[in-house]
Amino acid sequence: DTGVSQDPRHKITKRGQNVTFRCDPISEHNRLYWYRQTLGQGPEFLTYFQNEAQLEKSRLLSDRFSAERPKGSFSTLEIQRTEQGDSAMYLCASSHRDRASEAFFGQGTRLTVV
Amino acid sequence: AQSVTQLDSQVPVFEEAPVELRCNYSSSVSVYLFWYVQYPNQGLQLLLKYLSGSTLVKGINGFEAEFNKSQTSFHLRKPSVHISDTAEYFCAVCRPSQGNLIFGKGTKLSVKP
Repeated sequence: DTGVSQDPRHKITKRGQNVTFRCDPISEHNRLYWYRQTLGQGPEFLTYFQNEAQLEKSRLLSDRFSAERPKGSFSTLEIQRTEQGDSAMYLCASSHRDRASEAFFGQGTRLTVV
Repeated sequence: AQSVTQLDSQVPVFEEAPVELRCNYSSSVSVYLFWYVQYPNQGLQLLLKYLSGSTLVKGINGFEAEFNKSQTSFHLRKPSVHISDTAEYFCAVCRPSQGNLIFGKGTKLSVKP
C-alpha cells in the first residue's frame, strides 16, 4: 500500500490553457475526494466519488472544472481555460466506504497559472 | 451547514512548553471532529478524531483533544512540544453520513529552541 498518489506534484501553465491532474487512491478505497487549498486557507471540498459515481459537487466547482473516475479506481480533475485564481494546491483523498471518517490524503498537485 | 473557526492563525511556543490550539465549530446536526497536520508542501496527515464515546481523544505524536459539546469546541493540546511539531494544524468536521470534510483556516505552530 503506497498511499494516495497524485501526479504531477507541480504544474505551471499559462492562463487560458487546460490542465489535468491524476489521483490514484489507496487500493480498495471506494470513496475519493478532491479538495482545493489556496494560500492561507484550509482545504475546500470540491467533489467526491463513490466508486465511479460522482455523488456531490461543491458550488466551487465551476463549469470549467470536471472530474471523472471512469472505472472506480483512479480519478482525473480537469480545469479548462485556466485563470490566475485557479492557482492553488489540489488535494486528493480516499477512504473506505465502511470507514468514511478516515480519509487519507495525497501530497497534492500545486498549480501555478501565469 | 457546518463551519469551523480556528481562533489563532499563528502560535509561537518554545520547545518543551505545553501548547493548546483552539477550535470551535458550528453545526445543527451531530458531526465528527478531526485534527490534521500539514508539513510544508505536503498533504494532510490525520492526528486524531472524535466520532463518539469518551470526550478525550488521544492521537499520534503525543497530541490529544477534548470534545466539549456545550462549548462546541475541540481544542488540541500537547504537554511538551518538539521542534519537529512545527507545522500547520487544521481542525475539521464532517457529517457522519458523509465523508467530505469542512476545514478551518488553520493554525501555524512555530516551535522555537
